[in-house]
Amino acid sequence: GESVGLHLPTLSVQEGDNSIINCAYSNSASDYFIWYKQESGKGPQFIIDIRSNMDKRQGQRVTVLLNKTVKHLSLQIAATQPGDSAVYFCAESFAAGNKLTFGGGTRVLVKP
Amino acid sequence: NAGVTQTPKFRILKIGQSMTLQCTQDMNHNYMYWYRQDPGMGLKLIYYSVGAGITDKGEVPNGYNVSRSTTEDFPLRLELAAPSQTSVYFCASRNSQGASNEQYFGPGTRLTVT
Repeated sequence: GESVGLHLPTLSVQEGDNSIINCAYSNSASDYFIWYKQESGKGPQFIIDIRSNMDKRQGQRVTVLLNKTVKHLSLQIAATQPGDSAVYFCAESFAAGNKLTFGGGTRVLVKP
Repeated sequence: NAGVTQTPKFRILKIGQSMTLQCTQDMNHNYMYWYRQDPGMGLKLIYYSVGAGITDKGEVPNGYNVSRSTTEDFPLRLELAAPSQTSVYFCASRNSQGASNEQYFGPGTRLTVT
């Protein structure tokens, strides 16, 4: 598979614990923020998104928090499982064509 | 639905050679995108298209060309391959209708230029 994230910051989490992944974004005009999960050798997979006029959104075992004051985005994963081991990217979206600007990514390693 | 498919999966090119990376989606999505991903980095947008016959540059378009003659296909052309184009290339598509902001990604093409 592809060697994605060889030099990425790594978050080691015990199975069953909660994970928090942080992201700083750059453009205050972005209207959507998205989290993607990328497993080795695969393309990114959509997890959850949040509009800029919201500060929290929940999905299945995941919660995204948006703090526009400090341009900060976080992804919380509840009861982390081995299948959650992957590289996680945040992305900003602009309205025209919905172009995405990706952040640098965080590798999550789940320890049994 | 097969989703987004890309060919080839792997390719090695010599400097100065040219090639076309193929991307096809069967979801009738009008928006399509090409990204490149260097090791340890996030994805960078090369080109995108909001519909057949319409393309526009992304963040890193130099050295690449695209065309969009049909809704399904969005090929990426490298004319004179350079070592700096060694990367993993991902194609994605999105339905502009509806509330979801999700882009669907293909499995990627790993390109090495030597």
